[in-house]
Amino acid sequence: QQQVKQSPQSLIVQKGGISIINCAYENTAFDYFPWYQQFPGKGPALLIAIRPDVSEKKEGRFTISFNKSAKQFSLHIMDSQPGDSATYFCAASRRAGTASKLTFGTGTRLQVTL
Amino acid sequence: DGGITQSPKYLFRKEGQNVTLSCEQNLNHDAMYWYRQDPGQGLRLIYYSQIVNDFQKGDIAEGYSVSREKKESFPLTVTSAQKNPTAFYLCATRLGTGYNEQFFGPGTRLTVL
Repeated sequence: QQQVKQSPQSLIVQKGGISIINCAYENTAFDYFPWYQQFPGKGPALLIAIRPDVSEKKEGRFTISFNKSAKQFSLHIMDSQPGDSATYFCAASRRAGTASKLTFGTGTRLQVTL
Repeated sequence: DGGITQSPKYLFRKEGQNVTLSCEQNLNHDAMYWYRQDPGQGLRLIYYSQIVNDFQKGDIAEGYSVSREKKESFPLTVTSAQKNPTAFYLCATRLGTGYNEQFFGPGTRLTVL
């Protein structure tokens, strides 16, 4: 019940295209869903996060779509740029009053080509 | 300059030796976490601490130990009992109760020779 399943494992998108990464979770107690971006040899950086009370959140070119009934959420990167080439991790945790332990997906390696 | 520092960036250890990884923060965050990252497996939680002098095991605590004597510091010791210690180790912090956001340090890459 603690798993977060992420797909695809790798993704190649042309510059200017839309990158879409999907995640599914099992534990209905999860109520915080962040996405992290990680460049090689660096620590992950928090990109954007969503809570179940909204179906979509947008920050610049990055959008999270959330489907509570399906227990799925996805990251959309609009107008993808070569600088977006990185590994992306989805994660989930329970509400902030608890230890807020993050359960991570296995990551998606995104390559944006010219 | 606020943030999370991890040292060293690269660490080499011989089999059978214990080694301690440093994590320091000046963000005044209450909670601190240690994760291990292996290729294709995402990040897995080793230990976490919500307040000083208190810590709990995560999902893969065997072969590791921690201490939290100061709010700013959460060192991780990789003992000789850890069967597969070669990995990228990441420290993270969280402000505290009521906040979910976790922020990561730059990581330490440990290689056992």
